Amino acid sequence: AQSVTQPDIHITVSEGASLELRCNYSYGATPYLFWYVQSPGQGLQLLLKYFSGDTLVQGIKGFEAEFKRSQSSFNLRKPSVHWSDAAEYFCAVGATGGGADGLTFGKGTHLIIQP
Amino acid sequence: DTAVSQTPKYLVTQMGNDKSIKCEQNLGHDTMYWYKQDSKKFLKIMFSYNNKELIINETVPNRFSPKSPDKAHLNLHINSLELGDSAVYFCASSPYTTDNYGYTFGSGTRLTVV
Repeated sequence: AQSVTQPDIHITVSEGASLELRCNYSYGATPYLFWYVQSPGQGLQLLLKYFSGDTLVQGIKGFEAEFKRSQSSFNLRKPSVHWSDAAEYFCAVGATGGGADGLTFGKGTHLIIQP
Repeated sequence: DTAVSQTPKYLVTQMGNDKSIKCEQNLGHDTMYWYKQDSKKFLKIMFSYNNKELIINETVPNRFSPKSPDKAHLNLHINSLELGDSAVYFCASSPYTTDNYGYTFGSGTRLTVV
């Protein structure tokens, strides 16, 4: 069965500092990987996704993520965070880019931005 | 022109009641889903429907019954509501077995059972 681990429940970063959110997955075949962001009281917004090809993927809002098969990781990064980045971040894995099995989510990382 | 829309956004009801949450997508996707987000923000899939047929029922109590009148709609009906059903419910859709796409989520329905 597929699974996703986000080791950090909370992360606090100063505004303007760099950010890395960790994600490790377990899946028997080539994974389809996603990062979503959820602002307080809001729905899920897709930041970026990886299906194949270049292992460094660019997303919206200045985020990027790198797929490392050898480490079963898909970490999310941003060079300089803004106060508006404070939110809950979810990593997810799916069997296909869109299909009947849906997504398996990690438990999320709560990002706090210090002024 | 919201891609995946859910109604209502908030739902407060008493234990034992029956309620429904509606979901509609205008993306032409073949597959729709219901996810539940608990109080600790954990998201878990409940149901998956492909072209009006149920694909997954992830150990959800049979008080929950999805209904898909057509492939653009997937409603969630809940009988005999319990306190533990309080959560945020998300509808989502995706094209079926299509590479290079993904999942679009609705904005969620916050259900509070009192």
